[in-house]
Amino acid sequence: QQPVQSPQAVILREGEDAVINCSSSKALYSVHWYRQKHGEAPVFLMILLKGGEQKGHEKISASFNEKKQQSSLYLTASQLSYSGTYFCGTESLNSGGGADGLTFGKGTHLIIQP
Amino acid sequence: DTEVTQTPKHLVMGMTNKKSLKCEQHMGHRAMYWYKQKAKKPPELMFVYSYEKLSINESVPSRFSPECPNSSLLNLHLHALQPEDSALYLCASRGDRGPMNTEAFFGQGTRLTVV
Repeated sequence: QQPVQSPQAVILREGEDAVINCSSSKALYSVHWYRQKHGEAPVFLMILLKGGEQKGHEKISASFNEKKQQSSLYLTASQLSYSGTYFCGTESLNSGGGADGLTFGKGTHLIIQP
Repeated sequence: DTEVTQTPKHLVMGMTNKKSLKCEQHMGHRAMYWYKQKAKKPPELMFVYSYEKLSINESVPSRFSPECPNSSLLNLHLHALQPEDSALYLCASRGDRGPMNTEAFFGQGTRLTVV
C-alpha cells in the first residue's frame, strides 16, 4: 500500500524551515527518505527503523512514530540545493521475515527561492 | 565503488523491437531491483531479485522479462512494448533482501521511449 505524503508541494525562501510528512495504514519496518532532482536518480537521505528513533544529517533530520506509522522529514534553514522532489519509501516485513522492496509515496515537490 | 551503472542512458525503440536494459553493481549487494518511473510520479517496483533469484514480480506484463546472470548484473529484456511503457527505468541494489537497515542505491536510469 502506497504511503501518503503531505504536503504535495512547498515553496520556501532560502533559510526557512519545512516539514514533510509520510503516513501508512500498514505496519512498517522502516521508512526511507530520498530526494530526486529533475532528470536524476533518487538520492538517499536517511533510513528510520521502527522504534521511534530520530536521525539527522546536518540540517536535515527525520523521525518515525511507530505507533502512528508516521514519519516526518525536517529541513532546517533550507538551502537552494534542497530543491527537488522528496519521496518517502516504506517497507514492511513479509511472512518470511524478509523485506520486499520500497513502496514510494507520491512525493513532495519542494522549491527554494533565493 | 558505490555506483550502480545503467546502460543505455537513453533508448528509443519501436513496438516490434527487442531490446535490453543493463544494470551493474560491484558493491557485493545481493538484492537488486527494477523500478519504473513515469513523469512526475514516484518509482514503482517491478521486480526484486535476491541472491540471483526472482523473488517478487509486481504483476508486470510478460513483455518485460528480467534476468540476473550473476550477482553483479541485472538485465531487463523488452519485447513488443507499447507507447505507454515509455518511462524512466531505474535499477537499484541493496545489501540484502532481509530486514536490514540498508539503503538502496539507485542507478541514473534508462529513459525509454517507445514509438
